[in-house]
Amino acid sequence: EAQVTQNPRYLITVTGKKLTVTCSQNMNHEYMSWYRQDPGLGLRQIYYSMNVEVTDKGDVPEGYKVSRKEKRNFPLILESPSPNQTSLYFCASSRDRGSSPLHFGNGTRLTVT
Amino acid sequence: GNSVTQMEGPVTLSEEAFLTINCTYTATGYPSLFWYVQYPGEGLQLLLKATKADDKGSNKGFEATYRKETTSFHLEKGSVQVSDSAVYFCALILTGGGNKLTFGTGTQLKVEL
Repeated sequence: EAQVTQNPRYLITVTGKKLTVTCSQNMNHEYMSWYRQDPGLGLRQIYYSMNVEVTDKGDVPEGYKVSRKEKRNFPLILESPSPNQTSLYFCASSRDRGSSPLHFGNGTRLTVT
Repeated sequence: GNSVTQMEGPVTLSEEAFLTINCTYTATGYPSLFWYVQYPGEGLQLLLKATKADDKGSNKGFEATYRKETTSFHLEKGSVQVSDSAVYFCALILTGGGNKLTFGTGTQLKVEL
């Protein structure tokens, strides 16, 4: 089954404790991205990757890092989480740039206390 | 910059009622337009899309027509069901824009018996 898999689904952590949210897709997609969803703000892009070793900032990259060492994986790293990063995070992938539809993971709900 | 404006929710309807969720956009260039749906506890799924003016996207009884003259892409369904209860997101992407979707803030639909 074609899918984007994120882990964990839920995560509660404390300020400053480094964490990684994993994302993997099995569709051989070149393009992957991370979004955060907040009430009243919709989805905002954090980082995206056009291919292996090619990453770029989205609209709200501050406080986040990503890496794309393999085509299928695109982890999101919070080196020093803060409470304003409490949010619902989605990983997505698509075949290429342009109007190809995005396939989303089921989300990771992160709470930083 | 590019932006998408959706009507505020929640929208509450009785089963078999007619649905319209308004969406207007601002973009430099000629975007492709999308509707995504998010069911409770899940990631977003592509519902329908239109890539050029006057195109009509349709899926699962939902329709939306790309209106360049009014910069709109309103979502309609003739007879909603309880299972349509979800959050609906309008989005646009510009060709050559790095495959970054610009989302609206989402409209929650609740359908009651």
